[in-house]
Amino acid sequence: SYELTQPPSVSVSPGQTARITCSGDALPNQYVHWYHQKPGQAPVLVIFKDSERPSGLPERFSGSSSGTTVTLTISAVQAEDEADYYCQSTDSSGNVVFGGGTKLTVL
Amino acid sequence: QLHLQESGPGLVKPSETLSLTCTVSGASISSSNYYWGWIRQPPGKGLEWIASIYYSGSTYYNPSLKSRVTISVDTSKNQFSLKLSSVTAADTAVYYCARHPGGDWFDPWGQGTLVTVSS
Repeated sequence: SYELTQPPSVSVSPGQTARITCSGDALPNQYVHWYHQKPGQAPVLVIFKDSERPSGLPERFSGSSSGTTVTLTISAVQAEDEADYYCQSTDSSGNVVFGGGTKLTVL
Repeated sequence: QLHLQESGPGLVKPSETLSLTCTVSGASISSSNYYWGWIRQPPGKGLEWIASIYYSGSTYYNPSLKSRVTISVDTSKNQFSLKLSSVTAADTAVYYCARHPGGDWFDPWGQGTLVTVSS
């Protein structure tokens, strides 16, 4: 079955830039969407269609794509950005797939 | 503002059927080009898509769960529902419902409901 691969964890200091990657063979042909999830809360969409930002989300959040890897970039990281981040896409049959998640720790 | 709320039993016995309903408020479930979906998350683990449905009734399912899952929609009540049969402890999870625009991303999500499978 199709898989999306994310690093289990990323750590950054406040004010630095965090980059979380998502890799998958089909990504050159499929969009990736990103969610963050804080403990005990539902996931929240932060990026859709590789790089589109929902209204109301800080401009610190951005997305980019290159070949089989898509990257979520969080600039000037704040303590409140500490959360689990999940990428999501679809396989060639249109079935939804989530990455395993990345825990972002703000040191 | 669009709001989704899951409801259903928090405890289900092994081998029985899990049934959940998602009530949509703030918009019609019949809005064009929107699918509506279910996603689950076992305690301490990642997200798993279960199924999605269009207001017209068109459905698609996670192949790994397809044999046990039924998703349905009731436009008169602005609700959609999930049934998962023959549950085991591995089906214990927080179950979320969400709007699934164009079958692409999920936004917004309901708050989630924990379903525990145990005798």
